[in-house]
Amino acid sequence: AQSVTQLDSQVPVFEEAPVELRCNYSSSVSVYLFWYVQYPNQGLQLLLKYLSGSTLVKGINGFEAEFNKSQTSFHLRKPSVHISDTAEYFCAVSVSLSYNTDKLIFGTGTRLQVFP
Amino acid sequence: DAGITQSPRYKITETGRQVTLMCHQTWSHSYMFWYRQDLGHGLRLIYYSAAADITDKGEVPDGYVVSRSKTENFPLTLESATRSQTSVYFCASSPGVGGTNTEAFFGQGTRLTVV
Repeated sequence: AQSVTQLDSQVPVFEEAPVELRCNYSSSVSVYLFWYVQYPNQGLQLLLKYLSGSTLVKGINGFEAEFNKSQTSFHLRKPSVHISDTAEYFCAVSVSLSYNTDKLIFGTGTRLQVFP
Repeated sequence: DAGITQSPRYKITETGRQVTLMCHQTWSHSYMFWYRQDLGHGLRLIYYSAAADITDKGEVPDGYVVSRSKTENFPLTLESATRSQTSVYFCASSPGVGGTNTEAFFGQGTRLTVV
C-alpha cells in the first residue's frame, strides 16, 4: 500500500536561510507526488506536483522539489525563506480509486517556523 | 464567488446530535472529497464522489453519511456525533479526468467540536 512519511514534524529556520522539508513515499507503481501548504486557519493550497518528466519540479513562492525514484523521496526545498513561509506543509501521493479517479494519501505534515 | 466554500466554518455540537457540513463548488468538477485533519494523522479521506449520485467510502467512513444530488454540492452528515469526530473537516474537488489530473482544490475547512 502506498504511504507517505514526512521525516520532520517541525523545522525551525531563520529568515533568508535555506530549508529542506523531507518526504519519503512507498509505492510499487508509478506515482504522482504533491506538496501542499496550509496557512493558519486556511485550506490546503498546491505548491507543486510531479506527474512525469523532469525530476526537478518548480512550484509557487520559490519552492522546488526533486523526485528521486531510487531513494523514493520527494524533498521540498527553498533557497531563502521568508517569514511569510511559516505554515504547515504536506507531502502527498496519489492512489487510484474506483470511478477513474485518484485520492491523495497525505503525510502527517511538517510545520515550518521562520524566525526573524 | 468562484471556488469551493464550506459552511459553517466553526461548529460546536453535543454528543449524539446530527450535524451536517456543507460543501459547494462552482467549477463543475466531477470529483469531490471529504477529508478530516487530525494531529499526528495528516488528512484522511472519509468519502468521495465521482459524479452526482455516485459516492464511495474512503479510509475512515464510519459514522458519516454523504449525498450528492447535484454536481456542485457534497454535504457530509454525522448521524450521531461522537467526541472522536472532533476534527477539522476539509472538502475538496478535482477534475480528476483520466487519473492524472489529481490536483485537488480545498475549501477553508470546518472546525467541528463535539462536546
